[in-house]
Amino acid sequence: GENVEQHPSTLSVQEGDSAVIKCTYSDSASNYFPWYKQELGKGPQLIIDIRSNVGEKKDQRIAVTLNKTAKHFSLHITETQPEDSAVYFCAAGRTGNQFYFGTGTSLTVIP
Amino acid sequence: ETGVTQTPRHLVMGMTNKKSLKCEQHLGHNAMYWYKQSAKKPLELMFVYSLEERVENNSVPSRFSPECPNSSHLFLHLHTLQPEDSALYLCASSQYETDTQYFGPGTRLTVL
Repeated sequence: GENVEQHPSTLSVQEGDSAVIKCTYSDSASNYFPWYKQELGKGPQLIIDIRSNVGEKKDQRIAVTLNKTAKHFSLHITETQPEDSAVYFCAAGRTGNQFYFGTGTSLTVIP
Repeated sequence: ETGVTQTPRHLVMGMTNKKSLKCEQHLGHNAMYWYKQSAKKPLELMFVYSLEERVENNSVPSRFSPECPNSSHLFLHLHTLQPEDSALYLCASSQYETDTQYFGPGTRLTVL
């Protein structure tokens, strides 16, 4: 099956700075890569996703990039705000199969 | 919150108890999932139901028994659990098995 690794496990940034979280995957057939944000006491919420036919996708302050050759994808958050503090999970999977999640990154934005 | 609700939000049970977790989705989806979330581990997929039929069972111990009476409801029946089963149990739904999954808030389970 797929193996997803996520780094770093914890990340602290000053408010206004950028944050980058990286994930690698092992199955070259994976074609869907969602990112989830989980706040304390809540379930994971989808924040952005990307499919293998696209190299980059952006939604306001959040962007995701995908390098299929290297089998890695990254989440970029610009102009971070305290409300961005949460645990972020990446996932990878392919059509007709289950998704595999990374171990999560705990992001703290320091005011 | 998303259109996926879970009850109860917190549950404490002894090893000999029988309890059930409930999940309901209001999104018109046709696939539902149970995940286990333990500290410092990836989300573990337990069960997948598509059109009310179980399509995935990832070697989950028989003390966990899922039930999907219709496309909107999913249950996880618990019996004779172990302390290591303590975790956050998340329910999710999607339009198809392969589409984006939407999660509920989870049930925090503690087994004494």
